[in-house]
Amino acid sequence: EVQLLESGGGLVQPGGSLRLSCAASGFTFSSYAMSWVRQAPGKGLGWVSTLRSAGGRTYYADSVKGRFTISRDNAKNTLYLQMNSLRAEDTAIYYCAKPITTSGLGDLDAYDVWGQGTMVTVSS
Amino acid sequence: QSVLTQPPSASGTPGQRVTISCSGSSSNIAVNTVNWYQQLPGTAPKLLIYTNDQRPSGVPDRFSGSKSGTSASLAISGLQSEDEADYYCAAWDNRLNGHVVFGGGTKLTVL
Repeated sequence: EVQLLESGGGLVQPGGSLRLSCAASGFTFSSYAMSWVRQAPGKGLGWVSTLRSAGGRTYYADSVKGRFTISRDNAKNTLYLQMNSLRAEDTAIYYCAKPITTSGLGDLDAYDVWGQGTMVTVSS
Repeated sequence: QSVLTQPPSASGTPGQRVTISCSGSSSNIAVNTVNWYQQLPGTAPKLLIYTNDQRPSGVPDRFSGSKSGTSASLAISGLQSEDEADYYCAAWDNRLNGHVVFGGGTKLTVL
């Protein structure tokens, strides 16, 4: 069964840091670009970042650029999101997401598998 | 304010056909494909339509997608009570080195 399991969320003070992890199973993790998508309480979906499978090219939302870093360990089938200088507006459920294909149309943005999400709360 | 524009709400009665629109621009929908997600309360989103009009395995053919110019649409025919959910469109945007943009979401109510 294809599965994504996020961890690492919690309560952190403004200006603090957290590292989220996403453990993948049931598919060839190294072949897929992987992404993080967040959802603030009662709000819509917001894309955070994407990391390609090969070559390591990264993409970030303007709101997190320079503060968040996406990375992966293909040997451990794990995706990470290092979040620094956290702000109240970063409070959200953070989902890890896998695209439906490894290449071609939809390989960066058509997410057919999502984790259950991990909650990040930034508050003093 | 979302880059892709969706109506905040839509409604229909069981058996009816409803459509949800998604309006974008020359940097996203016009030149890239559109995906649609369904999100039931308290759950992770589910991919409903990808690359404009393709259904993932397991998605009923009551759901269909289309795109024309800078706009896209999701159609749901034979509306059922379990279709009551939030629906989001999304697309790749070529500006700023590339990024994914979502619509603000449409809350579908089955009357």
